[in-house]
Amino acid sequence: AQSVTQPDIHITVSEGASLELRCNYSYGATPYLFWYVQSPGQGLQLLLKYFSGDTLVQGIKGFEAEFKRSQSSFNLRKPSVHWSDAAEYFCAVGAGTASKLTFGTGTRLQVTL
Amino acid sequence: DVKVTQSSRYLVKRTGEKVFLECVQDMDHENMFWYRQDPGLGLRLIYFSYDVKMKEKGDIPEGYSVSREKKERFSLILESASTNQTSMYLCASRSTGAEAFFGQGTRLTVV
Repeated sequence: AQSVTQPDIHITVSEGASLELRCNYSYGATPYLFWYVQSPGQGLQLLLKYFSGDTLVQGIKGFEAEFKRSQSSFNLRKPSVHWSDAAEYFCAVGAGTASKLTFGTGTRLQVTL
Repeated sequence: DVKVTQSSRYLVKRTGEKVFLECVQDMDHENMFWYRQDPGLGLRLIYFSYDVKMKEKGDIPEGYSVSREKKERFSLILESASTNQTSMYLCASRSTGAEAFFGQGTRLTVV
């Protein structure tokens, strides 16, 4: 069965500091991996995705993520956080040939000024 | 712009009522999903559908049913609402092998 672990429930960073949100997955085959962001009261917006190829993927809003097969990880990074990045972030895993997407429990990011 | 539309942003229902949550997508996606979101638990899959009239149980299907009579529409039904079904409900659609697109969510309160 596929699963996703986001070990950090809540993270606080200062504006301008770098950010790394952790994601570990369990999947039997080559995974399709996603990061989504949810602002308060809103639905989920896709930040970036990994299907194959270059293991460092770029997304919107200056985010990037690196797929590391040996560590079963897909960590999200941003070099300099802005106050508007405060939100909840979800990692998800799926397959290319199946319907289902499985999400982690999310990491809430707080940004201090 | 792609769009997944949920019929209500907020709903308040009484215990025991039958509740319908509607979701429509305009992207011709074959797959549609209903998730429930609760603090600290992330998104949990209730049901999904991979084709018209086809459905599969997700991780927490108890107390829920679904209907997909047309490709663009996927309904979640609470047969007899209970207070423990108070939650945020998120609909999503996806073409197999691609990312999922989400609606704005329906916050359901059962009193």
